Amino acid sequence: SAVISQKPSRDICQRGTSLTIQCQVDSQVTMMFWYRQQPGQSLTLIATANQGSEATYESGFVIDKFPISRPNLTFSTLTVSNMSPEDSSIYLCSVARLAGGPPSTDTQYFGPGTRLTVL
Amino acid sequence: LAKTTQPISMDSYEGQEVNITCSHNNIATNDYITWYQQFPSQGPRFIIQGYKTKVTNEVASLFIPADRKSSTLSLPRVSLSDTAVYYCLVGDGWGGTASKLTFGTGTRLQVTL
Repeated sequence: SAVISQKPSRDICQRGTSLTIQCQVDSQVTMMFWYRQQPGQSLTLIATANQGSEATYESGFVIDKFPISRPNLTFSTLTVSNMSPEDSSIYLCSVARLAGGPPSTDTQYFGPGTRLTVL
Repeated sequence: LAKTTQPISMDSYEGQEVNITCSHNNIATNDYITWYQQFPSQGPRFIIQGYKTKVTNEVASLFIPADRKSSTLSLPRVSLSDTAVYYCLVGDGWGGTASKLTFGTGTRLQVTL
């Protein structure tokens, strides 16, 4: 398995500002993802973070609002831009397919999440 | 995309076996079935994965009938610490246009004394 850390663990932000969330993995991984989980709800996939290229966004999510970087196989960032109270949520990073490991199918490992509150 | 249907909630007493069934009528040939557990304020944790028949690990068993249109997660002798939300997902990986994992509503399991 992989150990995933996220920074910050939580934050309270003002409307109109931006927050960048970091995701660090202790081993190289092929796939990295960003999810959002609103209070009491299930997880919604925001985008797939692609190394060295633009992220692949799901319907309803756009790059201008959620820019993503993935400079290498162990690190990614998600920025929540021009925040509004509707962006208050938990943001989770997940990874799959550990590089150099046995073939795996769909096993994702999740970070602890970042709890964001926008006032 | 293959979608899943699970009971919204279940209650159990400590020490009982709990079976959570998930329906996935549109599962594709390449899809695997994966279950995750999520505690409050934590990310989901992988429990078990299977393709067909039965899979067992130290935590749970997964039963998948021949038609693969449903699956059942079995938790033996639950304890209070098993109180969590359990998600059933189907998908076949991340290559190109392959189907993606979609989290359904999950099943909220409440274990009491």
